[in-house]
This record gives sequence, structure tokens and C-alpha cells, in this order.
Amino acid sequence: GEDVEQSLFLSVREGDSSVINCTYTDSSSTYLYWYKQEPGAGLQLLTYIFSNMDMKQDQRLTVLLNKKDKHLSLRIADTQTGDSAIYFCAESPPSGGSYIPTFGRGTSLIVHP
Amino acid sequence: DAMVIQNPRYQVTQFGKPVTLSCSQTLNHNVMYWYQQKSSQAPKLLFHYYDKDFNNEADTPDNFQSRRPNTSFCFLDIRSPGLGDTAMYLCATSRDGGTNEKLFFGSGTQLSVL
Repeated sequence: GEDVEQSLFLSVREGDSSVINCTYTDSSSTYLYWYKQEPGAGLQLLTYIFSNMDMKQDQRLTVLLNKKDKHLSLRIADTQTGDSAIYFCAESPPSGGSYIPTFGRGTSLIVHP
Repeated sequence: DAMVIQNPRYQVTQFGKPVTLSCSQTLNHNVMYWYQQKSSQAPKLLFHYYDKDFNNEADTPDNFQSRRPNTSFCFLDIRSPGLGDTAMYLCATSRDGGTNEKLFFGSGTQLSVL
């Protein structure tokens, strides 16, 4: 199976909260990441969380980490149409001295009026 | 603005005809990566350079090669593209490969093999 798993689609109404979930496999990842990919663009780092934290808040974004269950979530408050994009979860386990992110398949967030 | 630039944006090639994709960066980052992203799949790491040191992923086909002539440029060569190589190819950079390594991506090259 995939190392990082995410559901493929999420549809929300503008103004509602969105919650995108992810499960990962490697508990040795020091940092976990959320990247955003808008249409026709590359991935852009959105936020990250250190593995000894449970929660990180950054304006409309809240990241929750459950290390025991290896579960990561991204909550977007007051979702706007401009938030429509693909959101990728990534883990970064150590491997041969490097910490290269391994990505999930991405969750397409569709925001409708 | 400092950035990662990929050319071309779209590339169409014939089955078996060699193709080269290019990536340049103005961030002066040590590490450069090539990812393959097929539709609705996770970006898959093909290889990366830490400075001049080349690191190939174990499952990257021999058909895929890379060159990094200097810090700023990195190329992906596909010697004999197959239909299954149709994908988005993403170049990324990072500063030094440390524990909290933030990747900066280009906009990608969409390759179609006909």
C-alpha cells in the first residue's frame, strides 16, 4: 500500500470549514508537511508541524497530529473559492542521512458557492 | 523573485524519441530533485542531487538520466520514452537536505508521449 494515504476528493461550501485527513506510516518522521498545488502550478509548502507537537495554528489553518495513530489533518477555516486546489500530505523519514518528503496522492478540495 | 523555472511547460514527443527537460533555480540551493507525477497519483521521486552527488532511487528506470552541470541547472533526459512515461515532471530544490527541508517546486513540464 501507499506510505501516505489521503482521500482523493473533498467538496465544501464557501464559508464552511474543510478538514483534510492523512495517514502516514513512518513514525520516525521529524516533520510532517502540507503542500498545496493550484491548477497549472507546482507544489507550494503550505505549513508543517514538528513531530513532538499536537497542534499548530497559522491564521485560517490548523494542523493536528496524532502520533499514536499516525494521523495528520489540515483544517481550513472559512474556506474560500481561492482555496480550491490539491492538498498533499508528506512525511519525511530519515533515510541515508537525508529527509526527503514522501507525498500522498493529494486531496482535491472543491469549494462551491 | 528567486524561483525554480522549468522549460518547456508542455512537451510532446514520439514513442522512442529522446527528450530533455530543463530546470533552473535562482535560490542557490544545494539540493535539486526530479519528481514524476502521474494523474491522481503521488509525486514520485526519480532522483536528486546533493550538490554534485547524484542519488538515484532504486526503482527509477534506466531510461531516465539526469545531469547537473552547475548549481543553477538540472536536466532530465528520457532516452527512449514509452507511453507510460506520459506525466507531469516536477523539479524542486531545497537548501541543504536537513531535517526540516522545505521544497520549492517549479511549475512542472507536462510530457505527452504519443
